[in-house]
Amino acid sequence: DAGITQSPRHKVTETGTPVTLRCHQTENHRYMYWYRQDPGHGLRLIHYSYGVKDTDKGEVSDGYSVSRSKTEDFLLTLESATSSQTSVYFCAISPRTPGRSSYNSPLHFGNGTRLTVT
Amino acid sequence: AQKVTQAQTEISVVEKEDVTLDCVYETRDTTYYLFWYKQPPSGELVFLIRRNSFDEQNEISGRYSWNFQKSTSSFNFTITASQVVDSAVYFCALSEVPEQGGSEKLVFGKGMKLTVNP
Repeated sequence: DAGITQSPRHKVTETGTPVTLRCHQTENHRYMYWYRQDPGHGLRLIHYSYGVKDTDKGEVSDGYSVSRSKTEDFLLTLESATSSQTSVYFCAISPRTPGRSSYNSPLHFGNGTRLTVT
Repeated sequence: AQKVTQAQTEISVVEKEDVTLDCVYETRDTTYYLFWYKQPPSGELVFLIRRNSFDEQNEISGRYSWNFQKSTSSFNFTITASQVVDSAVYFCALSEVPEQGGSEKLVFGKGMKLTVNP
């Protein structure tokens, strides 16, 4: 177990409402990621963080924002949820440390959050 | 740009059959990593293997084996004597090695659903 907890595990919300998903890690890893999984698309990167208050966009960042005020928590916010954001959201952490030569570990994923926007 | 193609979307086999899952990738980088993840019906993502671009040695782990061929940009996964517990969605993924201080970002294929029937 890589020490990642996602909350909530399931959520149903209405179009137009704000939603925040939480990813909590106990590993003190620097790098954290949010992916979404949709049929026919695999997993796609939404946002990632490389340190406290350091975040950047991924492939499908429109409509999402993130925040990382503490090493252990990475929050994903849908400011105004849309039906197209119905998906399974996965958080991941990376145990690597800065430095090209230290890249030697895979991402570890949380158990996912199933979000339904009606 | 990076791209991972899993041409097969779904395969169904009978227990004890061997099955090969194909993965073809595209990248401009000379240094990169390839991964396979398993997603059983319970939904979590389980890391199976990581291979770097400088190591073309095939790997075997029990009933699982991986064939990496840079010449054809492929990283195929074979399950020998398949079992019902192998039923899952399998994802191939690619990551280019980031510059120092940067963050690796996995690009996933769309996944391949394997069903092993008794």
